This record gives sequence, structure tokens and C-alpha cells, in this order.
Amino acid sequence: EVQLVESGGGLVQPGGSLRLSCAASGFTFSSYDMHWVRQATGKGLEWVSAIGTAGDTYYPGSVKGRFTISRENAKNSLYLQMNSLRAGDTAVYYCARSRTGSFDYWGQGTLVTVSS
Amino acid sequence: DIQMTQSPSSLSASVGDRVTITCQASQDISNYLNWYQQKPGKAPKLLIYDASNLETGVPSRFSGSGSGTDFTFTISSLQPEDIATYYCQQYDNLPQTFGQGTKVEIK
Repeated sequence: EVQLVESGGGLVQPGGSLRLSCAASGFTFSSYDMHWVRQATGKGLEWVSAIGTAGDTYYPGSVKGRFTISRENAKNSLYLQMNSLRAGDTAVYYCARSRTGSFDYWGQGTLVTVSS
Repeated sequence: DIQMTQSPSSLSASVGDRVTITCQASQDISNYLNWYQQKPGKAPKLLIYDASNLETGVPSRFSGSGSGTDFTFTISSLQPEDIATYYCQQYDNLPQTFGQGTKVEIK
């Protein structure tokens, strides 16, 4: 059974940093592109970052230069390093497995709150 | 960025009704369009991929169609467990973008 379990969320002050983790199991992690998608409370879905099987990374303009996605295949783990956090980054962050452009499995999400 | 415009933003229908949601892309995205269902407090679930392909295990009352800029998602006979918010998502170009969502309620 495919499982994705996020951790690392919490309360952080504006300008602070946080590192999210996603533990994957039930599939060959190294063979799949992986993504982070976020959702502010009561709002829609926003794609945050992607990492390919070769380690290539992609970001939207809203987080480029502040967020870094990485993976550690030996540990079946995905990470999101978030720096210079803003109130607008407050959201539930989901990790998701990509299958040819679709997100076929999602984690349960981890809440990040940026507030003083 | 490609803008995805969903309509309506919400709808109320009776059990057994046919429900249709549309998604319009700001440019041609071929069939690179997926549909997701999200129930309150849960992660989204993939229902339809590549505009019209039903994900394994998803009931056949769900369907999708369209290509280019105009897409349609249909629930042929609304069931109580279909109460959720539905999102379209394009993956033709980065950044991948989602529609704003359509909240489906029971009348």
C-alpha cells in the first residue's frame, strides 16, 4: 500500500525557517517525481515544488529562491526547506506522488502557520 | 501562467441528479487535465486523468471530457458520498495550476 506521511509543520515567526519531511512507503520511491502542494484554510490548491527522479527541481514564482525541495532515495524521503517565511505561506502542505502529470497519491498534510 | 477557470463555484443538487462542472484553460492544454475530489479535512483524491480517463477504483458515475481549452466533469447520478469540492488541474505547462474549486452540496 502506498503511503505518504508528512511531518515537520508548526508555528514559525515571519522571516523564520522550517523543514518539512515526507516519508514514503509501498512503492519504489526513486522511480517517481514528487511534489509539494499547499492549501490555505478555506482556499484552493497551489503547487509549490517538484523534484524529478534525476534530482531536477521546479518552483513557482511565489516560492522560488525561498523554498528548496530535495529527496533522499536511500531513506525514501522527500523534504521541503522553507526560508524567509511569510504570513501568506500559512497552509496545509501535502506531499504528492506524480504519475505522468497527475498526483495519484497524497499524504495527509502538515500544517504550517506563520505568525508572530 | 495558465489560468484555470472553474464554474460554478458551488452547486446544490438532489441525490440522483446529473451534475456538470466546467473548467476552462487560458490557453490550449491539449488533454493535460486532471480532476480531483476533496472531502473536508482530507487530502485530494485523483478521479480523472488526461481529461477523460477514470482512475482505478473510481466509480463509473464520474466522467470527464474535453480537450484544448474547454473541459467538463460529470457525475451521472449524484450520491450522498459525493459531497466534496472538485478541482481541475493542468499539467501542460509549469507552474501546474488548479481551478478554484467547485463545492458540491446536496439539496
